[in-house]
Amino acid sequence: EVQLVESGGGLVQPGGSLRLSCAASGFTFSNSYWMSWVRQAPGKGLEWVANMKQDASEKYYVDSVKGRFTITTDNAKNLVYLQMNSLRAEDTAVYYCARGSPPPGGLFDYWGQGALVTVSS
Amino acid sequence: SYVLTQPPSVSTAPGETATLTCAGNNLRYESVHWYQQKPGRAPLLVISYDSGRPSGIPERFSGSSSGNTATLTISSVEAGDEADYYCQVWNQSTDHWVFGGGTKVTVL
Repeated sequence: EVQLVESGGGLVQPGGSLRLSCAASGFTFSNSYWMSWVRQAPGKGLEWVANMKQDASEKYYVDSVKGRFTITTDNAKNLVYLQMNSLRAEDTAVYYCARGSPPPGGLFDYWGQGALVTVSS
Repeated sequence: SYVLTQPPSVSTAPGETATLTCAGNNLRYESVHWYQQKPGRAPLLVISYDSGRPSGIPERFSGSSSGNTATLTISSVEAGDEADYYCQVWNQSTDHWVFGGGTKVTVL
């Protein structure tokens, strides 16, 4: 059974940093899957944040986080990370880790339960 | 940036059919996926690649796509279908994954 479990959320001041982790199990990390982060601001819709190919040869980010967020994986430990720097109030959201299929197509077939990130002074 | 447009809300009586739309420029060239999200829960993939139904998704959920509009149809709607539904594509022009704004389905 595929499982994704996020951790690392919390309250951070504007301009601060936070690293989210996602522990994946039930499947083998490979280039057949792309690991992703999707967020949802309170009361709002879903927003894709970042994706990466397992071998790290391709990474993509939504424009609003480029240069501030970095997605990485530890393939030996089946972990996915989202390093978030220079955080802003508008980054406040539940962050979901998701397993995806490569483009073209690019769906998200399994999701974690989400980690809440609150950016506030 | 690429935009997917969904109506904010759809209301349907139990047993009736709910039709949700997702509009986007040149959508015919993209594969559309649909997600169901209930309050406080993670999204669930209900339709993949325009009309595919993942394992465990009831046959009452079906999808289609034509021209610039994709459609999610929920037949014989049940109270448990109340949720937000999002369409999503990977846009080849921008190398971005894009979600629609979501449609809230209310069962009367």
